Amino acid sequence: DTAVSQTPKYLVTQMGNDKSIKCEQNLGHDTMYWYKQDSKKFLKIMFSYNNKELIINETVPNRFSPKSPDKAHLNLHINSLELGDSAVYFCASSQDFGMRLIEQFFGPGTRLTVL
Amino acid sequence: QQQVKQSPQSLIVQKGGIPIINCAYENTAFDYFPWYQQFPGKGPALLIAIRPDVSEKKEGRFTISFNKSAKQFSLHIMDSQPGDSATYFCAASRRTSGSRLTFGEGTQLTVNP
Repeated sequence: DTAVSQTPKYLVTQMGNDKSIKCEQNLGHDTMYWYKQDSKKFLKIMFSYNNKELIINETVPNRFSPKSPDKAHLNLHINSLELGDSAVYFCASSQDFGMRLIEQFFGPGTRLTVL
Repeated sequence: QQQVKQSPQSLIVQKGGIPIINCAYENTAFDYFPWYQQFPGKGPALLIAIRPDVSEKKEGRFTISFNKSAKQFSLHIMDSQPGDSATYFCAASRRTSGSRLTFGEGTQLTVNP
């Protein structure tokens, strides 16, 4: 059983197009995240949702819009794709246990290539 | 501004060696320090984590050493194996709801047979 799943795994598209990446977690977690991993493997958080509410919104272009229809899903829509958007995008989830250590579970990633 | 600095960028050891990866952080509000392991084509997975009230934590062959005054922490892998070859990321965050993980730059570890 996949804990955090993402679709698609690979996405190749032309500059200027609009695309979406979907994420689902079956862990019952209340917090979900989107991370971007660049070509140098650097991981940076983009967004975080807790119980469908946006709680972290890093300095990300407005072309990126996350949407959380429910606690188990967090989708990422990207408008007007640019070459620099090419990266691997990871979805993650965690459960808030107050002051307990919070492990984030990552999905397998979506490799986006913009031509 | 990179809040968590990781070194080295890459590391090659022989089987049985003890690779050591170092990280330094700036934000004294950080109170949770995990290490993640990432294999090619996969997402990062939690390996081991430590809180700043302890100086060392060991899980199997993996040990975190933590120096709060120096704001540094490191990962040691005892008796390293070729299957340990992966990219390792240190990270730091605050243990609050939805807390963001600030990652180091990553270390590509290769363990030769």
